[in-house]
Amino acid sequence: GAVVSQHPSWVICKSGTSVKIECRSLDFQATTMFWYRQFPKQSLMLMATSNEGSKATYEQGVEKDKFLINHASLTLSTLTVTSAHPEDSSFYICSAKSASGGTDTQYFGPGTRLTVL
Amino acid sequence: AQTVTQSQPEMSVQEAETVTLSCTYDTSESNYYLFWYKQPPSRQMILVIRQEAYKQQNATENRFSVNFQKAAKSFSLKISDSQLGDTAMYFCAFVQGGSEKLVFGKGMKLTVNP
Repeated sequence: GAVVSQHPSWVICKSGTSVKIECRSLDFQATTMFWYRQFPKQSLMLMATSNEGSKATYEQGVEKDKFLINHASLTLSTLTVTSAHPEDSSFYICSAKSASGGTDTQYFGPGTRLTVL
Repeated sequence: AQTVTQSQPEMSVQEAETVTLSCTYDTSESNYYLFWYKQPPSRQMILVIRQEAYKQQNATENRFSVNFQKAAKSFSLKISDSQLGDTAMYFCAFVQGGSEKLVFGKGMKLTVNP
């Protein structure tokens, strides 16, 4: 149980284009999903927290107009990197927290490697 | 603000040996949860073990166990009978009860040698 998928696993795009990354909880409902960014050999940096049916909460320094997050259902959240630039190249990881009470555990997706040329 | 410190950036161990990864944290709260996550070369974050702060008993999952010292704010992970597949980055993490945010340590690279 507690499987989270991400799609695509890797993507290469041209500078100025937009890229959408999907995060799905496959066998549980997630009221809350999280988006992280990880630079090489570093820890995970939380970008935003998204709750189903409401606007995402962004961490300080993360541009909400650049990183659009939508959490339309209890099993799907999307991150859209708008007008991507080479500095947006990174590894993006989502996680989901179960809607069932009594747990504070986040389950992670396999990550998406974004390369912007 | 809560912080998590992993002071050892890297360790290596021989297969079948036991290794302990250290983690300390800082919080003024009494209700919280602690985690160890593993990130192998595939980069998939995998939950290794979870500990509720209110539980005195140390969590155990097969070859993985923790030494939770609440007063010292220490949460070390012991891996027994190390296997090659244990080679990974290990992250210690903390979440305050009722909070949404996981606070991660910087991670520690563990290499298990044959």
